Amino acid sequence: KNEVEQSPQNLTAQEGEFITINCSYSVGISALHWLQQHPGGGIVSLFMLSSGKKKHGRLIATINIQEKHSSLHITASHPRDSAVYICAVGHMDSNYQLIWGAGTKLIIKP
Amino acid sequence: DGGITQSPKYLFRKEGQNVTLSCEQNLNHDAMYWYRQDPGQGLRLIYYSQIVNDFQKGDIAEGYSVSREKKESFPLTVTSAQKNPTAFYLCASSEGSYNSPLHFGNGTRLTVT
Repeated sequence: KNEVEQSPQNLTAQEGEFITINCSYSVGISALHWLQQHPGGGIVSLFMLSSGKKKHGRLIATINIQEKHSSLHITASHPRDSAVYICAVGHMDSNYQLIWGAGTKLIIKP
Repeated sequence: DGGITQSPKYLFRKEGQNVTLSCEQNLNHDAMYWYRQDPGQGLRLIYYSQIVNDFQKGDIAEGYSVSREKKESFPLTVTSAQKNPTAFYLCASSEGSYNSPLHFGNGTRLTVT
């Protein structure tokens, strides 16, 4: 079993829909990252969080440390949100190594 | 604007040849990383460096080598000993440990035939 599991693997939705992507992990962590990878390959960091909730524009990230679970929400989704969303966790025992999820491929249709 | 530059974007090599991928950053970050991405898989860490003249192996270092002679530069050499070198390679940097955001380059797609 992978230490970081994302669901769903693939998600297709209509423009305007509310999107939720989930990330569960099985190790003790100090931080959780959400990142976005566009079709060209470049990766952008969206959020880094260790507790609670963060919001940036239409994106919201939450984390529940006790349940070892995080969610990334997109409100009023738009075709430009189409990308792969990746969850990664910083293991408590390592300062520089992240454990990566396999990613969720999101397609928003106009 | 500050950022990370990887070059080239696409690279083709014959089997048995060593090839060096470039990564330069002007963010003044101490830590730099090399990741490999294969289709349908999560990123895997090849090497990382916390400071100039020091670097550590990641999970899949065999067949790769790096150097960190300058803070700004962290080149990766894919040697002929790497059995499956065809992949997408991403370079990243951060201010310190993983408790700071990662900044990525646009990647180099290496094809070895």
